[in-house]
Amino acid sequence: EAQVTQNPRYLITVTGKKLTVTCSQNMNHEYMSWYRQDPGLGLRQIYYSMNVEVTDKGDVPEGYKVSRKEKRNFPLILESPSPNQTSLYFCASSDTPFAGGNNEQFFGPGTRLTVL
Amino acid sequence: AQSVTQLDSQVPVFEEAPVELRCNYSSSVSVYLFWYVQYPNQGLQLLLKYLSGSTLVESINGFEAEFNKSQTSFHLRKPSVHISDTAEYFCAVSVSGTYKYIFGTGTRLKVLA
Repeated sequence: EAQVTQNPRYLITVTGKKLTVTCSQNMNHEYMSWYRQDPGLGLRQIYYSMNVEVTDKGDVPEGYKVSRKEKRNFPLILESPSPNQTSLYFCASSDTPFAGGNNEQFFGPGTRLTVL
Repeated sequence: AQSVTQLDSQVPVFEEAPVELRCNYSSSVSVYLFWYVQYPNQGLQLLLKYLSGSTLVESINGFEAEFNKSQTSFHLRKPSVHISDTAEYFCAVSVSGTYKYIFGTGTRLKVLA
């Protein structure tokens, strides 16, 4: 089954304790992206990756890191989480956007993160 | 800079009534337009998209959206809603020549029996 998986689905942590949220896709997609969803703000793009070893900042990258060492994986790293990073996080993937992103994005089920 | 506006945060509507969810965008360059749906406790799924060609696009479950370039709008409509359409709907744009996606703040559609 074609899918995007995220782990963990739920995480409660404390300020400053480094954490990684994993994302994996089995569709051989070049493009992957991370979003955070907050009430009243919709989805905001954190980072995206056009291919292995190629990443770029979205609209809200502060406090996050990503890496793309393999095509299927795109982990999101919070090196020193803070309470304002409490949110619902989604990973997504798609075929290489042609002429600027005209391909459907497939979303993972989400990771609900609480930082105390 | 590009932006997407969904003016209605919540839309209650009775079953079998028509509904329109509004989406306006701002961009000085070409964009591609999408509607995604999020059912409770799930990720987002593509509902429909406009890339080029006919300005009216349809989904398999009865929704349609019309691209209006002069009004920079991409409103979503359904002539008769069902209880199962209760969900949150997001309008999104991707800007031609970039790899960035911009989402609206979402509209929560609640279908009442």
